[in-house]
Amino acid sequence: AQSVTQLDSQVPVFEEAPVELRCNYSSSVSVYLFWYVQYPNQGLQLLLKYLSGSTLVKGINGFEAEFNKSQTSFHLRKPSVHISDTAEYFCAVSDLKGGSNYKLTFGKGTLLTVNP
Amino acid sequence: ETGVTQSPTHLIKTRGQQVTLRCSSQSGHNTVSWYQQALGQGPQFIFQYYREEENGRGNFPPRFSGLQFPNYSSELNVNALELDDSALYLCASKGQGGTEAFFGQGTRLTVV
Repeated sequence: AQSVTQLDSQVPVFEEAPVELRCNYSSSVSVYLFWYVQYPNQGLQLLLKYLSGSTLVKGINGFEAEFNKSQTSFHLRKPSVHISDTAEYFCAVSDLKGGSNYKLTFGKGTLLTVNP
Repeated sequence: ETGVTQSPTHLIKTRGQQVTLRCSSQSGHNTVSWYQQALGQGPQFIFQYYREEENGRGNFPPRFSGLQFPNYSSELNVNALELDDSALYLCASKGQGGTEAFFGQGTRLTVV
């Protein structure tokens, strides 16, 4: 079974500051890793994903994440945040079933609040 | 815009009633999953359907059931509603061999 721990439930930052949202996962098998963003009263939008290959993954809106297998981490970073980045961010891992990703296991989320 | 639409957007039901939530996936997406997101929590996997058959279930009781139709639409049915069923219900679809699940905007269910 997989599990995901998002180490910070809330992260307040000032506009144009850098930010890192931390995610650790636990799994006995290979997994895919994802970061999703959820704006108020909306569904989930994929920011980026790690499937294999390069451990540094770039996504939309200037976000990037680094996969660290030895530390079982997949931290999300952005060098300079904007007010519009205020949202809930979820880290997720997927089972692999029959060669295609199966259910997603999510962390509890990190609320990023960007202040002016 | 993910191409996945859910209806209704909001719903209020009374404890003990039954509810049906609907999802319309992108054309060609033959895998659909449903998730329950309680307030302040991450989404929890309910079940997944592939080519109209359930092929995986999370830790949810049998009163949560589903259907998937050939036209890429699907339903989540919940019987004997309980107060703890109040949550945002998310539908996600995926194409054959795809690695990304596309989520709808969700249905907010309130049980009173």
